[in-house]
Amino acid sequence: DAGITQSPRHKVTETGTPVTLRCHQTENHRYMYWYRQDPGHGLRLIHYSYGVKDTDKGEVSDGYSVSRSKTEDFLLTLESATSSQTSVYFCAISDRGSHEQYFGPGTRLTVT
Amino acid sequence: QKEVEQNSGPLSVPEGAIASLNCTYSDRGSQSFFWYRQYSGKSPELIMSIYSNGDKEDGRFTAQLNKASQYVSLLIRDSQPSDSATYLCAVNLGGGSNYKLTFGKGTLLTVNP
Repeated sequence: DAGITQSPRHKVTETGTPVTLRCHQTENHRYMYWYRQDPGHGLRLIHYSYGVKDTDKGEVSDGYSVSRSKTEDFLLTLESATSSQTSVYFCAISDRGSHEQYFGPGTRLTVT
Repeated sequence: QKEVEQNSGPLSVPEGAIASLNCTYSDRGSQSFFWYRQYSGKSPELIMSIYSNGDKEDGRFTAQLNKASQYVSLLIRDSQPSDSATYLCAVNLGGGSNYKLTFGKGTLLTVNP
């Protein structure tokens, strides 16, 4: 998985609780992305980062926030989880000069 | 609206046949095109990148790009049961310094022994 790890790999949480997912890379790539994947919708971009402390919204950013304080770590936070945020979340990375993205193993999140 | 479209399938082919997967995209200025393979329960894996019109071959895989028609395809020759997966088309819509990819919803391929 191109030196990308995600934690936790599985999580079950209750509606209204905060949740933080972590993506860690050892490739020193500049760009990092968070996607969610749902049946019938495919992969949708939530947020992305183009450098330390530089982030921007994707197409489905409502209810999510991100932070990147180090090159290697990109955190996705659900401030108050809802059942509609039950999904599989993937982190991806890419480097400057290339649009190729490489994916982490994913986190399966269930909000009850 | 910027889009990447794929036939959802499922596409079923017999072992040894050629599987043809298709993708269209909405932005004529797009420059980079990718095919990912995703096995059930796993993460997407990059299998082909193509940037210029024409064909690009890698083993049993051939990617074809026609920018005038805004069309990219993936051919899998001598299909094997291990090729059974969902194939995702991804496009850097608009090109330039935009480092985002837009993904199609994927085509499920089943190769029957």
